[in-house]
Amino acid sequence: GENVEQHPSTLSVQEGDSAVIKCTYSDSASNYFPWYKQELGKRPQLIIDIRSNVGEKKDQRIAVTLNKTAKHFSLHITETQPEDSAVYFCAASVRGGGADGLTFGKGTHLIIQP
Amino acid sequence: EAGVAQSPRYKIIEKRQSVAFWCNPISGHATLYWYQQILGQGPKLLIQFQNNGVVDDSQLPKDRFSAERLKGVDSTLKIQPAKLEDSAVYLCASSLLAGLETQYFGPGTRLLVL
Repeated sequence: GENVEQHPSTLSVQEGDSAVIKCTYSDSASNYFPWYKQELGKRPQLIIDIRSNVGEKKDQRIAVTLNKTAKHFSLHITETQPEDSAVYFCAASVRGGGADGLTFGKGTHLIIQP
Repeated sequence: EAGVAQSPRYKIIEKRQSVAFWCNPISGHATLYWYQQILGQGPKLLIQFQNNGVVDDSQLPKDRFSAERLKGVDSTLKIQPAKLEDSAVYLCASSLLAGLETQYFGPGTRLLVL
C-alpha cells in the first residue's frame, strides 16, 4: 500500500519568513495530493490540493509543488503569520478507481515565532 | 451548509468494554470515511463507504471493529472489546462523490480506554 513520509516533524520560523514542508510517497499510482491544517483539538481542514496533471498550484500565500518523477511534493507558505501556527499534514490517494481513502504523513508542527 | 456531525465528542471507557460512534455526513454526500488518529500521528483510514456499500475496509481490525451505513446516510463505528491501544480520535469524513471531490472532516470523537 501507499506510504507517505513527511519532513520536518517540527518547523519554527520567524513571522514574515517562509516555511517549506516536504513529503514523499511510494505508490506511483497516486494522483491526488491534499494538504490539511489541524489546529489543536480541531478537525483537519483542507488548505490546498494538487492533482498529478499539474506541477504547481498557488492560492495567495500558499503554494504546492509536485514532482511525479521523484514522487515528492512540497507545501510553501510565504509571509508567515501567527495564525499559520498549527500541524500540517500531507496526504496522497488514487482518484478514479473508487477506493480513494487518504494516506497521511505524520504531520509537521509549524511554529511561528513573533 | 452544515458540516459533518459526530457524537459523542468524548468517551472514556475501560478496556474490554464496547463503544459506538455516530457520524452524520454533509447532506447529499455519497461517500463516507472513518479515520483513526492516534496522538501525534496523521489520520489512518479504517473504512470507506459509497452509499451503503463498503468500498475499502482493508485496514479495519475486523476482529474488534465494525461499521455500518445501512441507509446510505448516517454511519456508526463500533469497537468491541476495546483495548488500550484504541485510545485515539475517530474522525468521520465525507465527500460528494468518490474520486472527484474534497473530503470534509467532522470534529471527531476522542476515545480514552483505561
